[in-house]
Amino acid sequence: RKEVEQDPGPFNVPEGATVAFNCTYSNSASQSFFWYRQDCRKEPKLLMSVYSSGNEDGRFTAQLNRASQYISLLIRDSKLSDSATYLCVVPHGSGNTGKLIFGQGTTLQVKP
Amino acid sequence: ETGVTQSPTHLIKTRGQQVTLRCSSQSGHNTVSWYQQALGQGPQFIFQYYREEENGRGNFPPRFSGLQFPNYSSELNVNALELDDSALYLCASSVTGTGTYNEQFFGPGTRLTVL
Repeated sequence: RKEVEQDPGPFNVPEGATVAFNCTYSNSASQSFFWYRQDCRKEPKLLMSVYSSGNEDGRFTAQLNRASQYISLLIRDSKLSDSATYLCVVPHGSGNTGKLIFGQGTTLQVKP
Repeated sequence: ETGVTQSPTHLIKTRGQQVTLRCSSQSGHNTVSWYQQALGQGPQFIFQYYREEENGRGNFPPRFSGLQFPNYSSELNVNALELDDSALYLCASSVTGTGTYNEQFFGPGTRLTVL
């Protein structure tokens, strides 16, 4: 089993739609989680952090279910500019050994 | 912009050759991590450098090696290139210190093609 698993999609949605991405992780000891956004042929950029049950930032909501080892990202009122790949990330280790474990990424295409 | 720079932006090599990729970390950051991202996949951790020493390594063979310099910049070296080494190589800088997680800021990457 992969350490971090995501449905690669693609998810094709119309503007204004609500879309949700799921991610499962294998390490039950993980304490923090992240969603990164990656535009085509660009570097990943941090979108949201999740340290407890969830986090909300405008149209974006991330939720964490520790019992099921499951993280989700909800995007409301999708915009064309939301088209990107969304990477679920789980840090491994702490302090000096903080490597990031990435999922495969979920591709979102928002259509006019 | 994150302030992390990488060079070159693109590179084409042939099998068996050697390559060196470079990364300058963001000002004030003392840790550099390298990742390999194959097409259609998420980035995979190669290794991390802190205080000029390797500080954690992923599942990559010894022909992947690196250096960190006193100014915290870093190099990734790959010997005996293979076709499967074709990927986007990302460097990320961060601060190692207090706290359980220190955000990593990514550079724009070097796209390596091995023919």
